[in-house]
Amino acid sequence: DAGVIQSPRHEVTEMGQEVTLRCKPISGHDYLFWYRQTMMRGLELLIYFNNNVPIDDSGMPEDRFSAKMPNASFSTLKIQPSEPRDSAVYFCASSLGAADTQYFGPGTRLTVL
Amino acid sequence: AQSVTQLDSHVSVSEGTPVLLRCNYSSSYSPSLFWYVQHPNKGLQLLLKYTSAATLVKGINGFEAEFKKSETSFHLTKPSAHMSDAAEYFCVVSDRDSGSARQLTFGSGTQLTVLP
Repeated sequence: DAGVIQSPRHEVTEMGQEVTLRCKPISGHDYLFWYRQTMMRGLELLIYFNNNVPIDDSGMPEDRFSAKMPNASFSTLKIQPSEPRDSAVYFCASSLGAADTQYFGPGTRLTVL
Repeated sequence: AQSVTQLDSHVSVSEGTPVLLRCNYSSSYSPSLFWYVQHPNKGLQLLLKYTSAATLVKGINGFEAEFKKSETSFHLTKPSAHMSDAAEYFCVVSDRDSGSARQLTFGSGTQLTVLP
C-alpha cells in the first residue's frame, strides 16, 4: 500500500487567498483525521470523519476552515480566506476502525505570507 | 480526560550509547500508548504501540517501551543510538474506552540529537 497520500507537499500563498489541501487515505480505512502542527501548539486534531461523515469538528479553529470527504478515497481541507497565522504543517491520518492505529501522511507545509 | 507529558524537550546522546526518552501519562480509561517519530520535514511514523497486551513493547529500529501502570509511565529506550535516530519523538495517549474514535493526545515532543 502507498500509505496516506497528501498534496501538495508545500504551499506558499498570500493572505486572503483560498487554500485547498488534499488527502487520500489508505484503501479500506474508514476513519480519516486532519491535524495541524505548529511550534506554539504542537499537534492538534482539527476534524475527523467516519465513513465519509464528519463526526467531530470541534478542533476547527474558525469558520474560515472547512473540510469535506466526498468519497472514501478523498478528503479536502479548505481555508478561505487564509491568514499568516494559518501557517503550519497539516497532517492527514487514517485508521481502520475507531480503535486502530492511525497512520499519518507526509504532511503539507503551508506558508501564508 | 487524558494528557501526556514528555519530561525532556531535548536529549543528546553519543552514537553507540543508550537512549532514554521519558513519558508520563494520565487517562480516565484504559489507555493505549504510542510512540511516533518525525524526521526533519517528514511525516509521523509509528515506532510502537501498547494496547493492554505485554507491558514491554518492542518496536521498529531496535526501540522498545515499557508500560508501568503504577508509575503512569511509558518510557522509550534503545540500547545503542545510531546517527539515523536523530529526530523528534512524540509520546501519544488515547482512551480506548471513550466510545468514540481514537482521540490521540500528543506530547510536546522530545528532540533527540545523536553525537558522533
